[in-house]
Amino acid sequence: AQSVTQPDARVTVSEGASLQLRCKYSYFGTPYLFWYVQYPRQGLQLLLKYYPGDPVVQGVNGFEAEFSKSNSSFHLRKASVHWSDWAVYFCAVSPNQGKLIFGQGTKLSIKP
Amino acid sequence: NAGVIQTPRHKVTGKGQEATLWCEPISGHSAVFWYRQTIVQGLEFLTYFRNQAPIDDSGMPKERFSAQMPNQSHSTLKIQSTQPQDSAVYLCASSLDTPKDTQYFGPGTRLLVL
Repeated sequence: AQSVTQPDARVTVSEGASLQLRCKYSYFGTPYLFWYVQYPRQGLQLLLKYYPGDPVVQGVNGFEAEFSKSNSSFHLRKASVHWSDWAVYFCAVSPNQGKLIFGQGTKLSIKP
Repeated sequence: NAGVIQTPRHKVTGKGQEATLWCEPISGHSAVFWYRQTIVQGLEFLTYFRNQAPIDDSGMPKERFSAQMPNQSHSTLKIQSTQPQDSAVYLCASSLDTPKDTQYFGPGTRLLVL
């Protein structure tokens, strides 16, 4: 069955430090993959999406993600985090190019 | 562009009562999705429509839950005989048309069943 695992429920980084949020997917074939962010008291917003092609995808606000078929991963990265990045981040897979299957989310906290 | 509109934003019902949640997709979008978010289960897909037709309801509980899309400007999710375990944030999303198109989410309806 298709699934997404985000192994880190919580991540804390210092402002200005680099960030990597991990995502592993289970899917037969090449999936469509997404990262969404949920800021406090707001709805989900798309950060970036991957369709078969270039494995490194650029998103908004300096975020990027790299698809790896061999590792079944789609990790999210940012070179330098800002306090405004404090949010919950969700990785998702679209198995039939319709509905989204989400991971459990990673709550990101920023140390000043 | 007002984005996806969901009403009400908050709803409190008593156990056994009916709850109807409304979603207005972005104008011109032909696909509408419903998801449920809880602390324990996370984000779960419920159902989706394309051009008002039900496409996939594999996530809908078999009893008490139903969804409709009577016209292109709104969809409803109805929960009959609500139970405390139905308490959740119900999210609606819409997308342009093809599966590649981004899903845009509304702010959600927070349902509390007492």
